[in-house]
Amino acid sequence: KAGVTQTPRYLIKTRGQQVTLSCSPISGHRSVSWYQQTPGQGLQFLFEYFSETQRNKGNFPGRFSGRQFSNSRSEMNVSTLELGDSALYLCASSPRKGGGSQDEQYFGPGTRLTVT
Amino acid sequence: GNSVTQMEGPVTLSEEAFLTINCTYTATGYPSLFWYVQYPGEGLQLLLKATKADDKGSNKGFEATYRKETTSFHLEKGSVQVSDSAVYFCALTTPNFGNEKLTFGTGTRLTIIP
Repeated sequence: KAGVTQTPRYLIKTRGQQVTLSCSPISGHRSVSWYQQTPGQGLQFLFEYFSETQRNKGNFPGRFSGRQFSNSRSEMNVSTLELGDSALYLCASSPRKGGGSQDEQYFGPGTRLTVT
Repeated sequence: GNSVTQMEGPVTLSEEAFLTINCTYTATGYPSLFWYVQYPGEGLQLLLKATKADDKGSNKGFEATYRKETTSFHLEKGSVQVSDSAVYFCALTTPNFGNEKLTFGTGTRLTIIP
């Protein structure tokens, strides 16, 4: 099976712009989660989508949003970019066959966003 | 809420040395515990997991035992290699009616010297 893919891998944007990142989960996985990784804050949970519905959300401002399509692919959008949004954005997919905390999450390589 | 505490890095060891990376947690509910590894320029890979007390997760020579009494999940390897150089993250999830999310520690950077 192909792994989780994320596009683009690298992105440079200017403050005030918006950006859309894409994630394709492993085939058959219905859950997609997004994480932000920075040197200062580490790995922080952004949100999770399951069957096109946001099921869980972390403590990020409303500038961060996402969506999931019927084929389970997901996008996240960040509007009005700030310098502090520079980070590695990781997407993870999970089968979520029966719910529960034992499901493993499989991560993509990430999108490195630099805001100047 | 949930939290994970890992030993501060960076950790530098010589090849074939014994490795321990400490991880302790606090959790509401009964967590599942994970170790993830991140190699330079890559995303996270699941290294091992344990889902109940006294379970031992193992993979690629790494081991970790779920210790409920000490709320710990320390990562160990008997003989490290240069290829083990990476950042290691301890993480957990707890049951939350299908709304589980991973809570990560801060990561421990490991460098192995030949």
